Amino acid sequence: DTAVSQTPKYLVTQMGNDKSIKCEQNLGHDTMYWYKQDSKKFLKIMFSYNNKELIINETVPNRFSPKSPDKAHLNLHINSLELGDSAVYFCASSRGGVDIQYFGAGTRLSVL
Amino acid sequence: GDSVTQMEGPVTLSEEAFLTINCTYTATGYPSLFWYVQYPGEGLQLLLKATKADDKGSNKGFEATYRKETTSFHLEKGSVQVSDSAVYFCALKLLRGGSEKLVFGKGTKLTVNP
Repeated sequence: DTAVSQTPKYLVTQMGNDKSIKCEQNLGHDTMYWYKQDSKKFLKIMFSYNNKELIINETVPNRFSPKSPDKAHLNLHINSLELGDSAVYFCASSRGGVDIQYFGAGTRLSVL
Repeated sequence: GDSVTQMEGPVTLSEEAFLTINCTYTATGYPSLFWYVQYPGEGLQLLLKATKADDKGSNKGFEATYRKETTSFHLEKGSVQVSDSAVYFCALKLLRGGSEKLVFGKGTKLTVNP
């Protein structure tokens, strides 16, 4: 069983569309994260949730809205997609701190 | 601001060669330091960590020593294998506004040829 799973793995869409990326973890962790890895390979935190509550929101445009229906899920919805949103998005989870995070395999988003 | 700088990749080595991937950091105080590894097609996973100066983290034959004098945490392995081919990320832990987060470097891609 995959510990942290993201879907879809690849997402190709047109500018202006709205899309969602789903993330689920079966590790029983209480904290989940979204990271963005841009074309220059920088991996930056976007959001973190602890027990369904938003903890970190890193100056991300409000077109990005995370939603955590329960501790095991943290979905990312993106409105009005722009070219600059093209990147690889990683979901991660941890228990009791940020040190040991388990990452999903990533979702490669391409906005045309 | 707080940041991590890794050596530019890609790095290509032959099997059994010695590996060094440089990592330096800029931060207030003495943050915990980490190396994460991303194997092809997988997510990142923690490789090793060190929480204070002079600590040495080690795992799977990899080592890194926390050097506060040089603000460095270089990753080393004495004899690499083809299975070590991956992207390696150096990271530090920040505490800001009561919340912790990891700040990652750009990643260094390692390819090991047989």
